[in-house]
Amino acid sequence: NAGVMQNPRHLVRRRGQEARLRCSPMKGHSHVYWYRQLPEEGLKFMVYLQKENIIDESGMPKERFSAEFPKEGPSILRIQQVVRGDSAAYFCASSPPGTQYGEQFFGPGTRLTVL
Amino acid sequence: AQKITQTQPGMFVQEKEAVTLDCTYDTSDPSYGLFWYKQPSSGEMIFLIYQGSYDQQNATEGRYSLNFQKARKSANLVISASQLGDSAMYFCAMREGTAGNNRKLIWGLGTSLAVNP
Repeated sequence: NAGVMQNPRHLVRRRGQEARLRCSPMKGHSHVYWYRQLPEEGLKFMVYLQKENIIDESGMPKERFSAEFPKEGPSILRIQQVVRGDSAAYFCASSPPGTQYGEQFFGPGTRLTVL
Repeated sequence: AQKITQTQPGMFVQEKEAVTLDCTYDTSDPSYGLFWYKQPSSGEMIFLIYQGSYDQQNATEGRYSLNFQKARKSANLVISASQLGDSAMYFCAMREGTAGNNRKLIWGLGTSLAVNP
């Protein structure tokens, strides 16, 4: 049973470019979460999605960031016009529906570097 | 105010000994869950153990146990018989409310554990 897949593992962008991060949840999981980890810090929640719905986006910056989880295909975290401060590790996690305590299974992360 | 506090930036332990990693939390919600994750140098986040606020007993998973002291709002991770492969960052996280209505995890800054041979 494959775990949570994220690609690319490493992404380098120049300021002003767009970054697209992909996440394929574990089989049978319909809940996806995105977190950001700045160097030397813990994770910060960004967004929680179910298929075709954004459930909680309270951690998403108001501008330049968007996320989707379409009916078919992976979840996408999109960052437009990247700036140096966007450099971080972005983790995706997933959980099955009806989980008793909401345990989240994490992918390996995408390390974004903005030059 | 920090909702999850991990006061030990770095810890050392001798191989085969036990070590306790501290975590205190702050919430006014009577229902919550506490998680510990391990992040080795390779970067992935590995789930270790969970404790629910209403659980009567401390959680255990193999060599991991959680010392849950509700009145003190602490949820310390105990690793018994440390192994070299336990060297990693360890994060404490909290979910406020039930899993049915909130899935957002709030994270501490982590503790770096080094196991010495």
